[in-house]
Amino acid sequence: GQNIDQPTEMTATEGAIVQINCTYQTSGFNGLFWYQQHAGEAPTFLSYNVLDGLEEKGRFSSFLSRSKGYSYLLLKELQMKDSASYLCAVNTGRRALTFGSGTRLQVQP
Amino acid sequence: EADIYQTPRYLVIGTGKKITLECSQTMGHDKMYWYQQDPGMELHLIHYSYGVNSTEKGDLSSESTVSRIRTEHFPLTLESARPSHTSQYLCASSDLYGYTFGSGTRLTVV
Repeated sequence: GQNIDQPTEMTATEGAIVQINCTYQTSGFNGLFWYQQHAGEAPTFLSYNVLDGLEEKGRFSSFLSRSKGYSYLLLKELQMKDSASYLCAVNTGRRALTFGSGTRLQVQP
Repeated sequence: EADIYQTPRYLVIGTGKKITLECSQTMGHDKMYWYQQDPGMELHLIHYSYGVNSTEKGDLSSESTVSRIRTEHFPLTLESARPSHTSQYLCASSDLYGYTFGSGTRLTVV
């Protein structure tokens, strides 16, 4: 089966840095995605990792270790608008993306 | 502008009614998907399509059906809606670079 684990909730302070972890055990691996989803809205693409290492895009970075089945999303200089759910999703090569249950991030003043 | 559109955005209907949720994309993607998501919960794949006349059921059992007669159009139909169908339905399409989601349809069956 497919298993993707993320923390359910996290809280951080405006201006700080937060790291959201994702571990996965899947029958195949063709890349890992991170999506942001505000309440009641559709997920929007943040990052994609297929090789080991760090991908940086502005305030957001994503890291992947395929041997460990591990990824993290790093958010710097947190803003109130970053309060959202962050979804880790794995392309297993079968059918469609498999999503984790998401991490709800609350940014406090 | 290339995009993916879902209608209606919100829908409240009575039990037993037949409904169709519309999804269209202008990106020319062959692959399209329907996910179901309850508030605060994970996305569950209910249907997917790899191209015209190709449809398959997903991981989550669903009483809905889909069709793919045209590349850009992937409607989802519930023949007889029930309160257990109350949820958010998200349509997506994909290419090599990732998935693009529609804004979703929030369905309430009373």
